[in-house]
Amino acid sequence: DAKTTQPPSMDCAEGRAANLPCNHSTISGNEYVYWYRQIHSQGPQYIIHGLKNNETNEMASLIITEDRKSSTLILPHATLRDTAVYYCIVSPYYGGSQGNLIFGKGTKLSVKP
Amino acid sequence: SQTIHQWPATLVQPVGSPLSLECTVEGTSNPNLYWYRQAAGRGLQLLFYSVGIGQISSEVPQNLSASRPQDRQFILSSKKLLLSDSGFYLCASGSGELFFGEGSRLTVL
Repeated sequence: DAKTTQPPSMDCAEGRAANLPCNHSTISGNEYVYWYRQIHSQGPQYIIHGLKNNETNEMASLIITEDRKSSTLILPHATLRDTAVYYCIVSPYYGGSQGNLIFGKGTKLSVKP
Repeated sequence: SQTIHQWPATLVQPVGSPLSLECTVEGTSNPNLYWYRQAAGRGLQLLFYSVGIGQISSEVPQNLSASRPQDRQFILSSKKLLLSDSGFYLCASGSGELFFGEGSRLTVL
């Protein structure tokens, strides 16, 4: 089972910031928070990840609460192409049995003109 | 960055027929490789992962199998397909930050 909880769907107006929440109250000290998105009928795309500090890259910003029990992915200026299912995942960094990414149902973000 | 190639992109097979989906990786060596399946309207389910040639771990019992004959080649197979095997199959590579292929959509009739 996924170790995260996300709202099933959200709407956002084009050009506005999209703030996608995620609860991960049972996160362990060695687990990172990852965000991926999946545009319809395509493979998932990595967006960003973080451990404790807030992170920013060319795609998005990740805000992690001080207790690490929740996080928010921020798309600063959403476009129609950002319409996708967004997955929040917690996992240790390395692959193999300890690092498999368990995808839940995610949040379907609809960006509207 | 890595590039994941999957084929075929689309496949329609009768129940009881065999299956072979292939995945190759470019841009890295000795990657961790994964097969995921996404049934219609559902999330991604991890099927197999591999940390090296000939090393396969299965996450769920099923009539599918996986093999890794070369460092950057990962194959998903079945001897006899079931209706429940229909879905969108994704190959991925990496650790933490995963790179996914474009997927293979399998319909079993």
